[in-house]
Amino acid sequence: EVQLVQSGAEVKKPGESLKISCKGSGYSFTNYWIGWVRQMPGKGLEWMGNIYPGDSDTRYSPPFRGQVTISADRSISTAYLQWNSLKASDTATYYCARPLAEVSGAYIDLWGQGTLVTVSS
Amino acid sequence: QSALTQPASVSGSPGQSITISCTGTSSDVGNYNLVSWYQQHPGKVPKLMIYEGSKRPSGVSNRFSGSKSGNTASLTISGLQAEDEADYHCCSYAGRSSWVFGGGTKLTV
Repeated sequence: EVQLVQSGAEVKKPGESLKISCKGSGYSFTNYWIGWVRQMPGKGLEWMGNIYPGDSDTRYSPPFRGQVTISADRSISTAYLQWNSLKASDTATYYCARPLAEVSGAYIDLWGQGTLVTVSS
Repeated sequence: QSALTQPASVSGSPGQSITISCTGTSSDVGNYNLVSWYQQHPGKVPKLMIYEGSKRPSGVSNRFSGSKSGNTASLTISGLQAEDEADYHCCSYAGRSSWVFGGGTKLTV
């Protein structure tokens, strides 16, 4: 089965670090982009950035550049989203998603189940 | 790139039709015919409803249709049903392997 499986919910304090994961299976992980999408409580979806595990080419949406780090370990078909110092405003559900390339329609055909990150003192 | 602009909310009665707009720029919506639409029920993962502006994935009702004019894409839902009540998000390819979402629209039936 083709799927993206994310790590579980996290509760953290402001200033702490965090790394959440997204494991792909059932397809060639290195041949597709993996994106990260933020959804703050009661709000819309926001594209944070994406990585191509085949060569680690990484793109960040301007609001998120410098705020998070996207990485991948192709040996275990897993992508990561990392924070060095969390803020209360990072409280959100984070989805990983597989967007198809431009030539294939550039739409998201696969989603992870979401990881709820709660940052509170 | 800036987020695409969607109305915060729209509403309609069962059986009616509604249209949700998604306005971008000449760098994203206007430059590519690669807008997709996602339906999201509370607490659920988004579901693809329209891709490449007007194409429907297998299994999506033909009551859902998409179009584009200039920098604005639109999602039309005809014959509204109670189950259509959800949030709808547009997403556009923005070049150089980047994507941008709209702010989302809450549909009340």
